[in-house]
Amino acid sequence: GDSVTQTEGQVALSEEDFLTIHCNYSASGYPALFWYVQYPGEGPQFLFRASRDKEKGSSRGFEATYNKETTSFHLQKASVQESDSAVYYCALGDTGNYKYVFGAGTRLKVIA
Amino acid sequence: GGIITQTPKFLIGQEGQKLTLKCQQNFNHDTMYWYRQDSGKGLRLIYYSITENDLQKGDLSEGYDASREKKSSFSLTVTSAQKNEMAVFLCASSIAGGRTGQLYFGEGSKLTVL
Repeated sequence: GDSVTQTEGQVALSEEDFLTIHCNYSASGYPALFWYVQYPGEGPQFLFRASRDKEKGSSRGFEATYNKETTSFHLQKASVQESDSAVYYCALGDTGNYKYVFGAGTRLKVIA
Repeated sequence: GGIITQTPKFLIGQEGQKLTLKCQQNFNHDTMYWYRQDSGKGLRLIYYSITENDLQKGDLSEGYDASREKKSSFSLTVTSAQKNEMAVFLCASSIAGGRTGQLYFGEGSKLTVL
């Protein structure tokens, strides 16, 4: 079945550091890829999506580019802030399928 | 905009007890989902419903029942709570699944079994 792998379970950075969270996927079809962010005590929120090869999704200074060749959708931000501390989930939604598959999540802690 | 309301926010039960979580959405979305969230395991799909009165099993459906009697509501029942179980259950909805939609989540219901 389809799967999503997030390499980092936890990331700790200082403010203004560059962020990369790795996401790789495996899917039988041509999925759309998503990033969600979850703050403490809340449900995950949609951050952005991309649905075709080489498409860039972006929101709030975060961005990721769909790479079909490497089956990746890595999240990046040039300069993180303490308020970015949260759990980030990569997910996919596949063709002809109502299911969404999530990665294990990456907890980001940004120290001021 | 819309909102997804989950009740109760906190649920404490006894081993073997049947426990029910409720979810309401006012997005007028056709598709609704129940996910279980455990630390380090991400979100795992328990049940989903494509439309009113439809039920589809996810990867983690054993030990759970679901009910979708109205378009706006989706309930999840833990059929027999397991001792020391602790998890957050997240309800979500989408205008369409798969490639074409995105999920809108509620705040979650936290289950503790004594």
